[in-house]
Amino acid sequence: DVVMTQSPLSLPVTLGQPASISCRSSQSLVHSNGNTYLNWFRQKPGQSPRRLIYRVSYRDSGVPDRFSGSGSGTNFTLKISRVEAEDVGVYYCMQSTHWPPFTFGPGTKVDIK
Amino acid sequence: QVQLVESGGGVVQPGTSLRLSCAASGLTLSSQNIHWVRQAPGKGLEWVAFIYYDAGDKQFTDPAKGRFTISRDNSKNTVYLQVDSLRVEDTAVYYCARDDGSFADLWGQGTLVIVSS
Repeated sequence: DVVMTQSPLSLPVTLGQPASISCRSSQSLVHSNGNTYLNWFRQKPGQSPRRLIYRVSYRDSGVPDRFSGSGSGTNFTLKISRVEAEDVGVYYCMQSTHWPPFTFGPGTKVDIK
Repeated sequence: QVQLVESGGGVVQPGTSLRLSCAASGLTLSSQNIHWVRQAPGKGLEWVAFIYYDAGDKQFTDPAKGRFTISRDNSKNTVYLQVDSLRVEDTAVYYCARDDGSFADLWGQGTLVIVSS
């Protein structure tokens, strides 16, 4: 199984400042078809998860452009260019390249300082 | 409005069974591959099961094999997750989610299962 790790696990942020979350996989997430199926989800308190980024760097519909994803192979990053109050929640990276099982990272809790 | 709605959760005793439902509105499930993901209280997300649009293939996480059954009734626009021999550690919110080729772009609101004696 592919193990996903994230750092940090807790991220206090200042409004208006940038933030970054790192995600690593235990093996390369490059699929045999050439795509890399690394996704980012955010879960706000009391809500269902929502996908923000798919295939490393593609933003889902309605996701503000202050969110960006990057990386390759086994190392990936989610960046928020300027944190807003609505960005608080738990962020999960997950891989859908090598399945089953589909695997999630442990989550990074983002809150405001 | 396109949405998935889970139901069937509740408080149940260990050893019993439960069937969760995932109903769709605003979209036709018969052409959709569907996942079930669960989240224990205060914990992270755990993928549980997956079913192809035509039920031609089903996949489970190893802990779910043998106790979990995933099925669908496309005539009712509904996907089901049956959990047998429920254990305390099955306590979680269970979400269904639509696969779009990059795991899931649409999630339901979840249904809470509490296994307790």
